[in-house]
This record gives sequence, C-alpha cells and structure tokens, in this order.
Amino acid sequence: QVQLQESGPGLVKPSETLSLTCTVSGGSIRHYYWSWIRQPPGKGLEWIGYIYYTGSTNDNPSLKSRVTISVDTSKNQFSLKLSSVTAADTAVYYCARDFRDRSSWYGMDVWGQGTTVTVSS
Amino acid sequence: DIQMTQSPSTLSASVGDRVTITCRASQSISSWLAWYQQKPGKAPKLLIYKASTLESGVPSRFSGSGSGTEFTLTISSLQPDDFATYYCQQYNSVFGPGTKVDIK
Repeated sequence: QVQLQESGPGLVKPSETLSLTCTVSGGSIRHYYWSWIRQPPGKGLEWIGYIYYTGSTNDNPSLKSRVTISVDTSKNQFSLKLSSVTAADTAVYYCARDFRDRSSWYGMDVWGQGTTVTVSS
Repeated sequence: DIQMTQSPSTLSASVGDRVTITCRASQSISSWLAWYQQKPGKAPKLLIYKASTLESGVPSRFSGSGSGTEFTLTISSLQPDDFATYYCQQYNSVFGPGTKVDIK
C-alpha cells in the first residue's frame, strides 16, 4: 500500500525559500503524477502543482512562477521549492498521488498526512 | 481558467438526513470531477472520481452525478462519521471552496 510522507522545516523566514520533500513508500514513483496542495489555516485547498516521474511539470499560475517541483526517482521522492515566501504562504502542505493518464483522470487517491509550514521572522 | 463553485458553503443536517451538495464549473469539464471528504486536522480523502465512480472502500451511501458544468454529491443517509468538509476538484486540479456539513 502506497504511503506518502512530507518532510522539511516547519518555520521559514519571509523572503526565503520554502523547501519540502515527499517520500513515497510501498510503491514506485514511476508511471504516476505527483502533486503538492496546501491549505492555509481555516481555509480551503489550493493546488500548487504536479510533476510526472519523467520530470515534466505543471503548476498553478496564481503562484506567479515561484514554484519549482522536482523528482528523484532513485530516492522515490519528489520535492517542492516555493521562493520569496510571505506570511500568506503559511499553510499545511500536502503531497498526493495524482492518478491520471493520457486519456483519463482518477483524482488524488493517496495523500500524505500534511506538514505545517509557518512563515515568520 | 476554469473556476469551481460549491453550494451551500455550510449545511446543517441530522443523522439520517439525505444531503446534497452542488459543484459548478465555469465551463464544461465533461465528467472530470472528483469529490473529497476532509475532517479537521486530517488529509482529504478521495470519495468519488469521474463524477460518479465510487473510490474503493467508500460506503455506498455516497453517490455522485452530473456532467458538463453541474455536479452533485449525495449522501443518502447521513451518518455521524460524515460530518466533515467536502471539496470538489476538476481535472486541471482546481478545487472548489468547500462545503462544511455540520450537526443541526
């Protein structure tokens, strides 16, 4: 059974870069898409972006090119970098498996437990 | 960009009630819609994909319908475990704003 675990600093200073890693266990990172989603305190879910195991990516235009998502198939991990953070980037950050292929989409069927990131000096 | 809306934003109901939540897309998304349930402090859980296909292990009291721009999630008989927030999501990954189902 595939499991996901987010890891990274829980506190980031304003203007710096937030960095998180999601480790996939119980299955291969290959042949799937993998997403990052966040949820500010008391608010709804916001999709950040996804990556295919080959390295192709797609991200949310509202984040204005601050997002970098990468994958390391040798470690069965994918990562998120969000640059120039502000207090508005304070949120719970989730990683998830985005189950899609060339012709269909099946939703995000496996999620990590989430990690809280606070942006503060 | 395709925008998603949900109604109502909050719904008060009792155990045993039939509950319906509506999700609308700003343009047609065919049947490429998923529904999630989220409880406080927990990650979302996939309930339904492709508008009406129940994810494995999800109770049959949950059902989804719709296509194009209008979709519904129905809980046929609300159970105590169902009090939560529900989100729709379209295939380009945009989520709806959520519907909180609380106890009347």
